[in-house]
Amino acid sequence: NAGVTQTPKFQVLKTGQSMTLQCAQDMNHEYMSWYRQDPGMGLRLIHYSVGAGITDQGEVPNGYNVSRSTTEDFPLRLLSAAPSQTSVYFCASSRRTIGYEQYFGPGTRLTVT
Amino acid sequence: AQSVTQPDIHITVSEGASLELRCNYSYGATPYLFWYVQSPGQGLQLLLKYFSGDTLVQGIKGFEAEFKRSQSSFNLRKPSVHWSDAAEYFCAVEGSGGGADGLTFGKGTHLIIQP
Repeated sequence: NAGVTQTPKFQVLKTGQSMTLQCAQDMNHEYMSWYRQDPGMGLRLIHYSVGAGITDQGEVPNGYNVSRSTTEDFPLRLLSAAPSQTSVYFCASSRRTIGYEQYFGPGTRLTVT
Repeated sequence: AQSVTQPDIHITVSEGASLELRCNYSYGATPYLFWYVQSPGQGLQLLLKYFSGDTLVQGIKGFEAEFKRSQSSFNLRKPSVHWSDAAEYFCAVEGSGGGADGLTFGKGTHLIIQP
């Protein structure tokens, strides 16, 4: 199993550009989440999904969209990038039967200039 | 709402010395609790987790943590640290939706190991 994969690993955007961060998992986990990590702030939840077709907002959802058309994939879309979205983004998956332990992807480092 | 406090932003420990990282949580019931470690430039790795039962849980790399309901704490300990333990450590608690909505993380403790 590859676990949780994320692409790209690094990305530089200009203010106003849009892009999609890709996330996929092959563990048949029903729950998936997106977090952003900023220095001194820990990880903060952006959006999460409890199954295909079901998504909801986390603590810091503004400026981001998600969708979940399959169990495996959970892309994060930045609609119009802003410098405040410069961060490291982690995707994670989990399931109830493992006590919601989060399995994390390797992260995407995004810089918005 | 649930929250996690890690009171120490930085901790410096000599190699071979014991370590304790503090974590306090706010949650309405007995929560699922986690400790994750992040080495420089790396992703997050689970050290250990508490769901129920024995309040002292053992994890990987020689770490253990003790759940104390009366103090709302879940402190991480290691008897003797190694230089390779230098990293960022995060305590986390299940979300308000019972865990399906992700975890709530503390802001992290940066561990520095002195030779």
